[in-house]
Amino acid sequence: DGGITQSPKYLFRKEGQNVTLSCEQNLNHDAMYWYRQDPGQGLRLIYYSQIVNDFQKGDIAEGYSVSREKKESFPLTVTSAQKNPTAFYLCASRTGTSLTNYGYTFGSGTRLTVV
Amino acid sequence: AQRVTQPEKLLSVFKGAPVELKCNYSYSGSPELFWYVQYSRQRLQLLLRHISRESIKGFTADLNKGETSFHLKKPFAQEEDSAMYYCARAPQGGKLIFGQGTELSVKP
Repeated sequence: DGGITQSPKYLFRKEGQNVTLSCEQNLNHDAMYWYRQDPGQGLRLIYYSQIVNDFQKGDIAEGYSVSREKKESFPLTVTSAQKNPTAFYLCASRTGTSLTNYGYTFGSGTRLTVV
Repeated sequence: AQRVTQPEKLLSVFKGAPVELKCNYSYSGSPELFWYVQYSRQRLQLLLRHISRESIKGFTADLNKGETSFHLKKPFAQEEDSAMYYCARAPQGGKLIFGQGTELSVKP
């Protein structure tokens, strides 16, 4: 069953802690993305990676970090520097070959709550 | 900055009524535009791409370069159309820029 798997589904974090959200895909997609979804603000891009061992900041990268050591995996770490981390986080991927096929495949999301 | 604007946070219509979800984009060359939909408890998924000029689930969207718009339309709304709809554009580099989203509520 091909697709993107995000884990965990729900995550609770104490103030001052770092947490890592997992995103794994078996679609052989080159590019992977992390978005944050907040009510009324749509999806905002945090980080993206178009190829292994390379990634770029999105619009709201402050307080987040990523790595792309394997094609299949693009974990997101929410650091203690992120002032308002409570949100729904979405991971996506797409094949990097076609300029006319920007269809993303999305994961089911992780809801992070700071307690 | 490249932007996508969806002016309506919530759109409520009755079943069988026409529906139009608005989307405007900031002009920059030839845009690649998309509509994504998120049904309750489901993943965000691609609904339409402007380049394919298709009709999916009765929805169509026409690119109007003069008005820089890509509104999503359906002549007769169904209750199962109730969902969150996002307009998105793809500038160079492959990353999608999303609008704020419009929640469509179709009442019986």
